[in-house]
Amino acid sequence: GDSVTQMEGPVTLSEEAFLTINCTYTATGYPSLFWYVQYPGEGLQLLLKATKADDKGSNKGFEATYRKETTSFHLEKGSVQVSDSAVYFCALENQGGKLIFGQGTELSVKP
Amino acid sequence: GAVVSQHPSRVICKSGTSVKIECRSLDFQATTMFWYRQFPKKSLMLMATSNEGSKATYEQGVEKDKFLINHASLTLSTLTVTSAHPEDSSFYICSAQKERVVRNEQFFGPGTRLTVL
Repeated sequence: GDSVTQMEGPVTLSEEAFLTINCTYTATGYPSLFWYVQYPGEGLQLLLKATKADDKGSNKGFEATYRKETTSFHLEKGSVQVSDSAVYFCALENQGGKLIFGQGTELSVKP
Repeated sequence: GAVVSQHPSRVICKSGTSVKIECRSLDFQATTMFWYRQFPKKSLMLMATSNEGSKATYEQGVEKDKFLINHASLTLSTLTVTSAHPEDSSFYICSAQKERVVRNEQFFGPGTRLTVL
């Protein structure tokens, strides 16, 4: 079945460091891909998305490119801030319109 | 924006009792709502899809008699955990879609932490 695998956390970085959170997927067809962010005590928020191969989603300095050849959608940010500390979820939307989530990666950014 | 609220945010109950969790879309009408369960350090698992005015569709392995879902209006869906047991303790999250369209964005609530003693 469809699945999403993302790197385990927690990831701890210093402010202004470069961030990469790896995400790979297995799916039938060509799913839309998403990154969601969950700040402490809040619900999931859509961070960015890509709907077809080679699309790049971007928002708030975060980027991810839909790589069909490697079935990946890695999240990157050039310079993280303390306010980026949160849990990040990679997800795909399958052919039935359902979201399949990775296990989440906790990011902690220290000043 | 599209805001979804959940109530309560936390609930503690005794084993054998039933607990109702509400999910509301505050500034839009939601034809479809989803209920997820999240275990510690684990992913969100879809439990059921709820369409206004019709019966919920449950995912494989989810007991429909244990997790009762009612989507009575375009802004409210409820999840009732019946005869709760400690293994039902979890974080329950709902989401809502504005229109009954596949691949339409889901807006998530903040979640409800259920602890069954």
